[in-house]
Amino acid sequence: SQKIEQNSEALNIQEGKTATLTCNYTNYSPAYLQWYRQDPGRGPVFLLLIRENEKEKRKERLKVTFDTTLKQSLFHITASQPADSATYLCALAASGGSYIPTFGRGTSLIVHP
Amino acid sequence: DAGITQSPRHKVTETGTPVTLRCHQTENHRYMYWYRQDPGHGLRLIHYSYGVKDTDKGEVSDGYSVSRSKTEDFLLTLESATSSQTSVYFCAISETGRSATDTQYFGPGTRLTVL
Repeated sequence: SQKIEQNSEALNIQEGKTATLTCNYTNYSPAYLQWYRQDPGRGPVFLLLIRENEKEKRKERLKVTFDTTLKQSLFHITASQPADSATYLCALAASGGSYIPTFGRGTSLIVHP
Repeated sequence: DAGITQSPRHKVTETGTPVTLRCHQTENHRYMYWYRQDPGHGLRLIHYSYGVKDTDKGEVSDGYSVSRSKTEDFLLTLESATSSQTSVYFCAISETGRSATDTQYFGPGTRLTVL
């Protein structure tokens, strides 16, 4: 069966360090992968999208990599700040389908000052 | 925030009662979605709509129905609420729903408690 796995344990890091979050998937042929941010009590907010033929995408302090051989995406936040503390969700849409994404459960990031 | 509102934002109801949640958008996007989010399960798709009067089931559609009579409104109905439907419900919209570059915009959520 199709699975999207994100680390259920919170990631705790110190301010200024690089946070790296992982999204692994099985039994998918993803057309693209997205990362969303969700703050407590609010809906997810889109951050970045990377297509299956792209290796890396950047946006300001954010970087996403996509390795279809390893079936893994890494989400990096450089120079992290306490304001980056949130839950980060990855979402995949399979090629040849409706492009409606399936979401992972998310990983909580806590940046300590 | 994209122009998406959900109502009510919080609701407490009793088992067996009907409940309707409303999603309203001002973006004129074609696709609208209803998700539920529960600890340990993440976001799961309930139903979605690809146009007025055009809807389809998602992963967890049992016990739910939807209707879309206008582009801007998407209603989610629990015909007879059960405690297992206690959850946070999110509405989302996307412009086309059929593009690899399409992204979803989420509403603020409705917290539903079924006693």
